[in-house]
Amino acid sequence: KQEVTQIPAALSVPEGENLVLNCSFTDSAIYNLQWFRQDPGKGLTSLLLIQSSQREQTSGRLNASLDKSSGRSTLYIAASQPGDSATYLCATGANSKLTFGKGITLSVRP
Amino acid sequence: ETGVTQTPRHLVMGMTNKKSLKCEQHLGHNAMYWYKQSAKKPLELMFVYNFKEQTENNSVPSRFSPECPNSSHLFLHLHTLQPEDSALYLCASSQEHTNTGELFFGEGSRLTVL
Repeated sequence: KQEVTQIPAALSVPEGENLVLNCSFTDSAIYNLQWFRQDPGKGLTSLLLIQSSQREQTSGRLNASLDKSSGRSTLYIAASQPGDSATYLCATGANSKLTFGKGITLSVRP
Repeated sequence: ETGVTQTPRHLVMGMTNKKSLKCEQHLGHNAMYWYKQSAKKPLELMFVYNFKEQTENNSVPSRFSPECPNSSHLFLHLHTLQPEDSALYLCASSQEHTNTGELFFGEGSRLTVL
């Protein structure tokens, strides 16, 4: 059974800092990995999707990498801004079932 | 309307009530999903519909009854719920229920069971 872990559960950084959010998974036989953002009381917004054959994806200040062999993915946020404050979730899976981590709640201080 | 729309956004109901959650997607997708998000827990997949056919029922209690009349609409009928069913219920859609599809979520319906 796939397990997805995101540590730490919460993170607070000053504005402008480059940061890395980690996601680890136990079963490397995955088809893709997806990063989401969730604002309080809201739904999930898809940020980046990495197919299993890919190593990374980029969108603006966001870069996500995938290392299947080590069971890890990272989401890199460059020059963080207060508007980046949210919960970031990763999800991955195989056999058409996505398993989600609990998320990392990020607070970017002005 | 664009994306995935869920109504109502907030719902309070007693344990003996019957209510329904509605989801509509305007993305031309063929697969739709219900997820449950409880505090301090990861998202839990409840149901999957692919081309209107239910393909996944993740051991969900029968007091939750899904309905998918077409590829654009998904309902979750609620009956005789328990207080522990209080959660954020999220609807999602994807191009099709494959291993590589990107999920798009609605804003969720916050359910409180008294």
